[in-house]
Amino acid sequence: QVTLDESGPALVKPTETLTLTCTFSGFSLTTAGVRVAWIRQPPGKALEWLARIDWDDDKFYSPSLKTRLTLSRDTSKNQVVLTMTDMNPVDTATYYCVRAAPTTGGNYFDPWGRGTLVTVSS
Amino acid sequence: EIMLIQSPATLSLSPGERATLSCRAVLSVSNSLAWYQQKPGQSPRLLIYDASNRATGIPARFSGSGSGTDFTLTINNLEPEDSAVYYCQQRSRWPPVYTFGQGTKLEIK
Repeated sequence: QVTLDESGPALVKPTETLTLTCTFSGFSLTTAGVRVAWIRQPPGKALEWLARIDWDDDKFYSPSLKTRLTLSRDTSKNQVVLTMTDMNPVDTATYYCVRAAPTTGGNYFDPWGRGTLVTVSS
Repeated sequence: EIMLIQSPATLSLSPGERATLSCRAVLSVSNSLAWYQQKPGQSPRLLIYDASNRATGIPARFSGSGSGTDFTLTINNLEPEDSAVYYCQQRSRWPPVYTFGQGTKLEIK
C-alpha cells in the first residue's frame, strides 16, 4: 500500500523559510519511473503544482515559484523535503505530497497525502 | 503553462441525474488530461487519466471523453456522495509543468 505523509510547522512568520517533509511508504524513490511532487491549495481555492523530484534526482519547479523552492531527498529514510523561502501570507495553504503515478508516465497524481495546513502570519 | 478553464463553476443536480463537466485547454494537450474529485475536508482523488481511463476503484458511473482542447467528465446516476469539487489537470511535455483548472463544484440536492 502506497502512503505519503506530510509534516512541518503549522505556523510560519512572513519572510521565514518553510521546510516540509514528506515521508512515504510502499515504494522506493530509487526505482526507475518513480516521481514525488508537492501541490498546494489555499483555503477555498484551486490546486497549484509546486515541484517534482524523480528517481534519478532530477528536479522540476513551478516557473512562477522556482526562485523560492528547493527539493531534496533522503532515500534511506524514504523522505522528500521541500523548502520555500521568503514566506508571505498569500502562501497560506494546505500542502500536499503526492506520487506521480508511474503507470501514467508521471503525468498524473495518485495517491495524495492527507495534506498539512501552513498559515503564514506574524 | 497551458491554462485550463472549467465550466460551469457550480452545478446543482438531483440524485439519479447526469452531470456533465467541461474542461477546456487554451492549447492542445492531446489526451493528456486527468480529472480529480475532492470532497470537503479530504485530499483530491484521481478519477480519470489520459482523458478517458478510469483509475483503480472508480465506479463505471464516471467517464471521461475528449482530446485536443475540449474534455468532458460525465457522472451518470448521481448519488449524494458525488457532491464534491472536480478538477481537471494536464502536464506540459517538457519541461514538465503541471496545471489545474479552477474547479467545478457539484452539489447534489
